Amino acid sequence: AQSVTQPDIHITVSEGASLELRCNYSYGATPYLFWYVQSPGQGLQLLLKYFSGDTLVQGIKGFEAEFKRSQSSFNLRKPSVHWSDAAEYFCAVGAGNQGGKLIFGQGTELSVKP
Amino acid sequence: DAGVIQSPRHEVTEMGQEVTLRCKPISGHNSLFWYRQTMMRGLELLIYFNNNVPIDDSGMPEDRFSAKMPNASFSTLKIQPSEPRDSAVYFCASSPGGLGQETQYFGPGTRLLVL
Repeated sequence: AQSVTQPDIHITVSEGASLELRCNYSYGATPYLFWYVQSPGQGLQLLLKYFSGDTLVQGIKGFEAEFKRSQSSFNLRKPSVHWSDAAEYFCAVGAGNQGGKLIFGQGTELSVKP
Repeated sequence: DAGVIQSPRHEVTEMGQEVTLRCKPISGHNSLFWYRQTMMRGLELLIYFNNNVPIDDSGMPEDRFSAKMPNASFSTLKIQPSEPRDSAVYFCASSPGGLGQETQYFGPGTRLLVL
């Protein structure tokens, strides 16, 4: 069965510092991988996704993620964090043979120190 | 363009009452998803529809929960009778065709509190 693990429940970084949020997945074939962001009181918004091609994908708001098949990982990165990036981040895996069904990780809450 | 619309945004009810949550997907989208978010269990897929037909309802917690999609522009999630453990944020999302690589677009959610 597909699963997603986000090992870090909560991360705090200083504004201007770099950020890496970890995501590991379990899936037998090439997965479809997503990162979503949720601001307080809001729904989820797509940051970026990977389903084929270049393993380094660029997203909105200056985020990028790298798919590493050998490590079953899809970590999210940003070189310089802004205070407005404080939110909860969700990694998700989708299985092509199950339509649009997504399995989400537990989420990582990001706090940004001034 | 209007995104996914959910109503009500907040609902407070008493145990035993019927609760109906509503969702209008993005026009032209063929797939619709209902999720529940809690601190304990995170974000769970309850059910999803493709072309108004339920495809996978394995996430529906029990018979008290039911979902319908009578047409392409409207879906409901009903809880009858409601219980305090149903308190959560319920999200509706839609996608263009239900393919695995498509983006799901989320509504703002309905925050449900069952007393």
